[in-house]
Amino acid sequence: NAGVTQTPKFQVLKTGQSMTLQCAQDMNHNSMYWYRQDPGMGLRLIYYSASEGTTDKGEVPNGYNVSRLNKREFSLRLESAAPSQTSVYFCASSGQKYNEQFFGPGTRLTVL
Amino acid sequence: KNEVEQSPQNLTAQEGEFITINCSYSVGISALHWLQQHPGGGIVSLFMLSSGKKKHGRLIATINIQEKHSSLHITASHPRDSAVYICAVGAGNQFYFGTGTSLTVIP
Repeated sequence: NAGVTQTPKFQVLKTGQSMTLQCAQDMNHNSMYWYRQDPGMGLRLIYYSASEGTTDKGEVPNGYNVSRLNKREFSLRLESAAPSQTSVYFCASSGQKYNEQFFGPGTRLTVL
Repeated sequence: KNEVEQSPQNLTAQEGEFITINCSYSVGISALHWLQQHPGGGIVSLFMLSSGKKKHGRLIATINIQEKHSSLHITASHPRDSAVYICAVGAGNQFYFGTGTSLTVIP
């Protein structure tokens, strides 16, 4: 089992460019999450999906869109990247909403 | 406004010492999590608690719902325990995280 995988591992964008961060899990989990981690601020929830076809905004959703393509995959899209979106992005999954979460390795994104 | 506060922010201990990390939260919660973030950046879940106490090996986590407080204890600390320990709470449709406690265990 690969657990939770994320691609890419690193990405550099110019302001205004768009990109999609991919996340997949092979644990048959219902819930999936996208977080960002910034120095001194801890992890913050961007979006959450309780099941295929459903998504909910987290604490910091502005500037992002998500898509729960199927039970395995949950993607995060930046339509027009801004320097404030420079961060490390983590995807996670859990069996149910408040259960133990399994994290992907993270994507380090820099927006110039 | 921080829904989750951890203390201390930084902690240095000698190998073998008993360590306590504290977490206080201000919202009604459905569950509390303790996470470990390795120096390389990977995040691993240690505990999920909704009441009482849990123990895994040398790690013990407790929660007091009435006082909105949780503690993570490490007995007989070891250099491999050096990491950032993060407290997180699930509340409604949100998850809130503390900024972490950076632990260094010196041989």
